[in-house]
Amino acid sequence: AQSVTQPDIHITVSEGASLELRCNYSYGATPYLFWYVQSPGQGLQLLLKYFSGDTLVQGIKGFEAEFKRSQSSFNLRKPSVHWSDAAEYFCAVLRTDSWGKLQFGAGTQVVVTP
Amino acid sequence: EPEVTQTPSHQVTQMGQEVILRCVPISNHLYFYWYRQILGQKVEFLVSFYNNEISEKSEIFDDQFSVERPDGSNFTLKIRSTKLEDSAMYFCASSTGPGELFFGEGSRLTVL
Repeated sequence: AQSVTQPDIHITVSEGASLELRCNYSYGATPYLFWYVQSPGQGLQLLLKYFSGDTLVQGIKGFEAEFKRSQSSFNLRKPSVHWSDAAEYFCAVLRTDSWGKLQFGAGTQVVVTP
Repeated sequence: EPEVTQTPSHQVTQMGQEVILRCVPISNHLYFYWYRQILGQKVEFLVSFYNNEISEKSEIFDDQFSVERPDGSNFTLKIRSTKLEDSAMYFCASSTGPGELFFGEGSRLTVL
């Protein structure tokens, strides 16, 4: 069965420290891959996407993600978090024959401490 | 920056009542979507809409649900007879291409 797994439900990180959020997927072929962020009271905002090509992709707000085919992973990273990065982060995949039927992971809640 | 807007932000309704959730997608987008998130659960795809017809729908999107683009700007989700389990945050989204969805802030539906 196709699935998206975010193993960490909750992560606490100190401001200025690095952050890595994990995402693994299970699909027959490499899907399109996305990370979205949801701040309290806000909608989902696209951080970055991977369709093909360079496996390290840059996104907004200083985030990057690396696609590793051998591990079926698409982990999100940020070298130095800011208090405003506190939010819920969702990994999502899209079959390459679909336009918008995203399948989301369960999300990782990030708390940033001073 | 263009954005997707949704109304109402919160609606409380009695079980069995009809509900219409409204969305104004980004103006040059051609693909429209509804997703929902039941409290504590994953964001789930409901339906996608293109060229005035449904292009994909999930098994959740049964006969109780319908979507419409009544004019050139609005995109609506109707739930004909609400059930308790329809309580969720409903997100509208739009896009010009695959996967790059722009989401609204959501409409919280509470069914009593």
